[in-house]
Amino acid sequence: QKEVEQNSGPLSVPEGAIASLNCTYSDRGSQSFFWYRQYSGKSPELIMSIYSNGDKEDGRFTAQLNKASQYVSLLIRDSQPSDSATYLCAVNSGTYKYIFGTGTRLKVLA
Amino acid sequence: GAVVSQHPSRVICKSGTSVKIECRSLDFQATTMFWYRQFPKQSLMLMATSNEGSKATYEQGVEKDKFLINHASLTLSTLTVTSAHPEDSSFYICSAPLAGLNTGELFFGEGSRLTVL
Repeated sequence: QKEVEQNSGPLSVPEGAIASLNCTYSDRGSQSFFWYRQYSGKSPELIMSIYSNGDKEDGRFTAQLNKASQYVSLLIRDSQPSDSATYLCAVNSGTYKYIFGTGTRLKVLA
Repeated sequence: GAVVSQHPSRVICKSGTSVKIECRSLDFQATTMFWYRQFPKQSLMLMATSNEGSKATYEQGVEKDKFLINHASLTLSTLTVTSAHPEDSSFYICSAPLAGLNTGELFFGEGSRLTVL
């Protein structure tokens, strides 16, 4: 059973701090990795995609991928209360085989 | 980014009736679409994979005769909840991958909240 694991949280960080969200996956053959943000009552919204080892930065967001250790992380710099949401890690484990983690709930405290 | 549109966003129906939800890819073709269900404070649950021109593939435990999926064109998939009951009340979300068999980013519709009375 291919799995994607996330800590459910909640992860609480003060406003302005760095929020660090982590995700591990079981399928070594996975090729593409995604982070989604889901506000309560809304559908998931794509934040970042990453395909190769290393860091990928987009504004306040940085995705990090380490295929050898099978983990992917998301850093949110200068966290804002509006970043409070559930963050879903997703892994493409084959042709249109998207596996989602259960999500980490982030709370940014004003 | 790519846009996936879902309609209706909210629907309330009486027990025993059928409800159809539409999912459209607005600026790209999607031969494959996915249907998810999400109960409050729970994670996404994949229900089925919708394939243009062929039968949908259902996940284990999902009744194909209750949740009818039709992928009529390269931009439209529909989910019909037949003979809906209160336990079918949930948030139904569709998604479609942008081109790229193993790298395609998955985009979600806005979701449809179904309430069965």
